[in-house]
Amino acid sequence: QSALTQPRSVSGSPGQSVTISCTGTSSDVGGYNYVSWYQQHPGKAPKLMIYDVSKRPSGVPDRFSGSKSGNTASLTISGLQAEDEADYYCCSYAGRNWVFGGGTKLTVL
Amino acid sequence: EVQLVESGGGLVQPGGSLRLSCAASGFTFSSYWMHWVRQAPGKGLVWVSRINSDGSSTSYADSVKGRFTISRDNAKNTLYLQMNSLRAEDTAVYYCARDILQRFDYWGQGTLVTVSS
Repeated sequence: QSALTQPRSVSGSPGQSVTISCTGTSSDVGGYNYVSWYQQHPGKAPKLMIYDVSKRPSGVPDRFSGSKSGNTASLTISGLQAEDEADYYCCSYAGRNWVFGGGTKLTVL
Repeated sequence: EVQLVESGGGLVQPGGSLRLSCAASGFTFSSYWMHWVRQAPGKGLVWVSRINSDGSSTSYADSVKGRFTISRDNAKNTLYLQMNSLRAEDTAVYYCARDILQRFDYWGQGTLVTVSS
């Protein structure tokens, strides 16, 4: 049950695009199409942004997109906006358990 | 409107016990799997435990197996986490979250558990 690997931080200017990677194993990310991404602002509860690798819940802007290749999933945020500055966590189903990534702090310059 | 409200957190000594509750409203609680996820101060999210819709099946992270017990009362629309033999490393905000097809679509605001002497 090791945490998925995410970069500690990424940054971008308003209007730019950033991609956050999430690397696991064939027992989690690579084995299931149940990767989800969560946005968390300081002091707030996490919010679901992407599920099933690439699907967006209602209300999430289409600037947010997800993909997966092998054991690595990715979250791309295009057209960066100030309100996107937050922590982002990936999560994967892993059989009877779930595993989160360590989190990535997104800074909008 | 879906609402999840955690309670029961507080300060407890190492080796002590605490029971967390999560009151659910705005949806048919008995139809959904539920989870507990925790977040140590300044750290990332960690999955803790899951229970199926009727309470007949549970699973736990290795770090809490044998010490924590997840349960639910569908008549009271409430999820529980009984935490025994608490350690300093269990200090965290504990969130309950609703599961729909292996994703957490709604979260509570969390309750802080501090394990310290």
